[in-house]
Amino acid sequence: DTAVSQTPKYLVTQMGNDKSIKCEQNLGHDTMYWYKQDSKKFLKIMFSYNNKELIINETVPNRFSPKSPDKAHLNLHINSLELGDSAVYFCASSQRRLAGSDSYEQYFGPGTRLTVT
Amino acid sequence: LAKTTQPISMDSYEGQEVNITCSHNNIATNDYITWYQQFPSQGPRFIIQGYKTKVTNEVASLFIPADRKSSTLSLPRVSLSDTAVYYCLVLFYNQGGKLIFGQGTELSVKP
Repeated sequence: DTAVSQTPKYLVTQMGNDKSIKCEQNLGHDTMYWYKQDSKKFLKIMFSYNNKELIINETVPNRFSPKSPDKAHLNLHINSLELGDSAVYFCASSQRRLAGSDSYEQYFGPGTRLTVT
Repeated sequence: LAKTTQPISMDSYEGQEVNITCSHNNIATNDYITWYQQFPSQGPRFIIQGYKTKVTNEVASLFIPADRKSSTLSLPRVSLSDTAVYYCLVLFYNQGGKLIFGQGTELSVKP
């Protein structure tokens, strides 16, 4: 039983295309996240949803749009892909919203390696 | 400015204790510190989380001094399978709830 799953695992596409990455968690968690990990292994948060409500929206180009149809799913759609979008994208979930002293561990998916050519 | 800083790499030998320190100068009173482990081609995995003083679980300890401007992950008696990248993560609650990962410490355990 995979706790946090992402599809696809690998995604190779050309510049200018539009693509989506899907994420699902079966842990019953309220909060989900998208992270980007670049070639230097830096992990940076992009978005977070709590019960389908956007709560974190870091400085990310408008070409990236998250969508949460329900609290078990958080998809990432990317328009007009650029070379710099090549990275590994991780989805994660936590039991509840990270807020001050009520911090809970995050469970990460296996990642989606996006290559833009 | 919310920032976390770690050494880029460390080397160790099997059976040794490894201590990895993360600096987070602008941490506030209620900000939590969490450490993750990442193997190649996998997502990060939770190791330990703390708020102050010392926390210990079955795999690691986390030491946080009184000023909380740094934290140290301690791995007792490492083995080859502990070779991985270790990240500290701080939730800067009083800075808009920013989640900031350190740049990761690549630990290499040798026989």
